[in-house]
Amino acid sequence: NAGVTQTPKFQVLKTGQSMTLQCAQDMNHEYMSWYRQDPGMGLRLIHYSVGAGITDQGEVPNGYNVSRSTTEDFPLRLLSAAPSQTSVYFCASNGNNKANSPLHFGNGTRLTVT
Amino acid sequence: GENVEQHPSTLSVQEGDSAVIKCTYSDSASNYFPWYKQELGKRPQLIIDIRSNVGEKKDQRIAVTLNKTAKHFSLHITETQPEDSAVYFCAANNYGQNFVFGPGTRLSVLP
Repeated sequence: NAGVTQTPKFQVLKTGQSMTLQCAQDMNHEYMSWYRQDPGMGLRLIHYSVGAGITDQGEVPNGYNVSRSTTEDFPLRLLSAAPSQTSVYFCASNGNNKANSPLHFGNGTRLTVT
Repeated sequence: GENVEQHPSTLSVQEGDSAVIKCTYSDSASNYFPWYKQELGKRPQLIIDIRSNVGEKKDQRIAVTLNKTAKHFSLHITETQPEDSAVYFCAANNYGQNFVFGPGTRLSVLP
């Protein structure tokens, strides 16, 4: 199993541009989530999904959209990039549809918005 | 919603000494508490977890204790080694729907 795969690894955007961060898992996990990691602030939840067709907002959802059309994929869309969205983004999944088992993280996407 | 605090933010210990990191949470309904280790430039990886029906769990040099009454849980690393140097994050689940993470502790093990 590849686990959780994120692409791209690095991305530079100009303010106002849009892009999609890709996340795929091959473990048949129901629960998938997106976090951003900023220095000194730990991991903050952006959006999460407990199964295909179901998404919900986390702590910092503004400026981001998600969809979950399949169990495997959970893309994160930046609608109009802002410098405040410069961060490292992690996708994670776990083996049931609740937050009561270990998260498996992808390798992250380092995004810089200029 | 859930709020997780973590202390200290940085911790330096001599090789062979013990390290303790403490977290507090606010939601009495939280029932699952994982700890993650993140090395520089890498993804967080689970090192140990504990559920609310257990007071302590141990895995070799790593242990976690949970005090539900006081709403705090702690990570204990004994006989620290240089490879233990990393950032450690605690987390608590929020009504079973998602996770809230602490801000992290940077542990440095000095040879």
